[in-house]
Order: sequence, then C-alpha cells, then structure tokens
Amino acid sequence: DIQMTQSPASLSASLGETVTIECLASEDIYDILAWYQQKPGKSPQLLIYDASSLHTGVPSRFSGSGSGTQYSLKINSLQPEDFASYYCQNGLSAPLTFGSGTKLEIK
Amino acid sequence: QVQLKESGPGLVQPSQTLSLTCTVSGFSLTDYSVHWVRQPPGKGLEWMGGIWGNGNTNYNSALKSRLSICRDTSKSLVFLKMNSLQTEDTAIYYCTRDLRGIMYTSHYFDYWGQGVMVTVSS
Repeated sequence: DIQMTQSPASLSASLGETVTIECLASEDIYDILAWYQQKPGKSPQLLIYDASSLHTGVPSRFSGSGSGTQYSLKINSLQPEDFASYYCQNGLSAPLTFGSGTKLEIK
Repeated sequence: QVQLKESGPGLVQPSQTLSLTCTVSGFSLTDYSVHWVRQPPGKGLEWMGGIWGNGNTNYNSALKSRLSICRDTSKSLVFLKMNSLQTEDTAIYYCTRDLRGIMYTSHYFDYWGQGVMVTVSS
C-alpha cells in the first residue's frame, strides 16, 4: 500500500500570509494526487487534482505542485474562509490513501 | 445536479453488522465509480472501498475481510455492509463520486454526501 505522510500536522498563520503544506508518498505516484479542504461539520471538498490542476470554482490563491513522491499545496494571501483542515490523497492505486491531515488555524 | 445521500442506522451494537445506503442522482452508476470514506470523530479520512462503473469492487485491505460494497443501478443505490463492528468503527461515513468517468485510471472525489454518523455502542 502507498503511504502518504503529510506535514505539518497543524499550522498557525495570519490573514494575508502564504502557507505551504507538504505530502510525501512512499513511492512514485506520477502526479496522481489530490488535495481536499474540510471545514468543521462539513464534507471534504476537492481543491486540486493531478497534483496541480485547480478544480472548478476553487480560487486561484490555491496551487499545487510536485512530482514523484513529493507534493505541496500552497495557499497565497490567506482569507478567513481558508482556515480549515487539508488532506492529500493518492489517486493512483487502491487503497486510495489519504494523508493524516493539516489543521490550519488563525494566529 | 449531482447529489449523493447516505442513510442508515445511527447506532449499531458491537459485533453487529452495519448496513448503509448511498442514494445518488444526476449521474449513472455505470458511468462513474462510487466510494465509501469514513472519518472517526476528530480524526482523518480513511478510504474504505469503491465500486467501479463495470461493477468491480476494490477494498481497503485493512477492512477487506469485513466489508462488502454492491449496487442497484436501476435504483441508483450503492450499499455498504460491514460486519463485526467494534467501537473503533464509530465514525462519519461518506459516499463520494469519482471525479472522472470509467475511462480514467486515476481516482479523485468531487461530489460527497453529507455523511452519516454511526456510533458503535451497547
């Protein structure tokens, strides 16, 4: 099974700041990676797929990059609605594993 | 529009079987795969398994011995059954649709149900 190691587990930042979340796959997943945002009490929402493609309706301040085993999600100019939890996901092969999550909090 | 909705019991006794239904609309189960993902309270997401457009299934190896996913395409229903439930199976259970159709080998989740909270307790 492909393991997804996500870091950091939590992150504190201020409005307007830029933050980056990392995800490391245990083997090459050939850019087949997604990022999700989840707010308390809500279902996850797809942000990024194929490592860098922005899902429909997602603001352009979100961007994804990486290749091979290392991937990152960058959020520019943090807005109040961005404070949430974020998860990466291996989309290449079953089991379709998720990272352990990053909780982004307001400083 | 695309919608998914989970239904099932909120409380299950230990060692019993969980049965959940996902009612979908706005797309055909033969065109897109549907998956089950769960989330224990305060914890992360776990992919449980999915049923592909051709009816094939794939399960998380950690749950494979207890889990079964099937569907009724005529009624747009996907079913989850998991036996021998324990307290650690307490979670919100989501059904979710694959972003892309059956011709793709990558799997991401674009539409999600609201989730159903299942508590395992006597």
